[in-house]
Amino acid sequence: QKEVEQNSGPLSVPEGAIASLNCTYSDRGSQSFFWYRQYSGKSPELIMSIYSNGDKEDGRFTAQLNKASQYVSLLIRDSQPSDSATYLCAVSNNQGGKLIFGQGTELSVKP
Amino acid sequence: DTEVTQTPKHLVMGMTNKKSLKCEQHMGHRAMYWYKQKAKKPPELMFVYSYEKLSINESVPSRFSPECPNSSLLNLHLHALQPEDSALYLCASSQDHASGMYNEQFFGPGTRLTVL
Repeated sequence: QKEVEQNSGPLSVPEGAIASLNCTYSDRGSQSFFWYRQYSGKSPELIMSIYSNGDKEDGRFTAQLNKASQYVSLLIRDSQPSDSATYLCAVSNNQGGKLIFGQGTELSVKP
Repeated sequence: DTEVTQTPKHLVMGMTNKKSLKCEQHMGHRAMYWYKQKAKKPPELMFVYSYEKLSINESVPSRFSPECPNSSLLNLHLHALQPEDSALYLCASSQDHASGMYNEQFFGPGTRLTVL
């Protein structure tokens, strides 16, 4: 069983729509949750961090965490073609700095 | 300065060569990481340095040898690599690896390594 699972892509949404990216994790001791965006040929870029249950908003991005359901999601409002990238969910139990990454979801925003 | 830099950007080496990858950060971070990433896969942790000491080695073959000369610098020495070691090598740093935001890891641009 994979430790961090993301819905398989590619996910295609029209420009201006809401893109919803989902992630589940198996370790109940997980404490920190991160979303990274990775453009093709580039390195991962941290776009959101969330540590407590509920929603956290930053511009067009909203991260949602539900520790009871072991679920974290990323919503991208008013999606733009420039949002087209692979989104990686990463989870940490705060022991040793190790991040467990999901396989990533490829998002394509069509003009 | 919120940047992690890596050199070189690209590296082509033969299986008998010795080369080094370099990483530098000036954010005052005390934890630094080496990752390997193959195409269409997530980053795979190789090593963690905390306060200049090696704290995690994810059973990486000895042909990869990390070094942390000081709190800002991280090197990865390469020797006798195999073609399957061709990948994007990423360096990252975080404040430390305590809880929450201190564990936010920021990645450098990576070195794309090709082993012939």
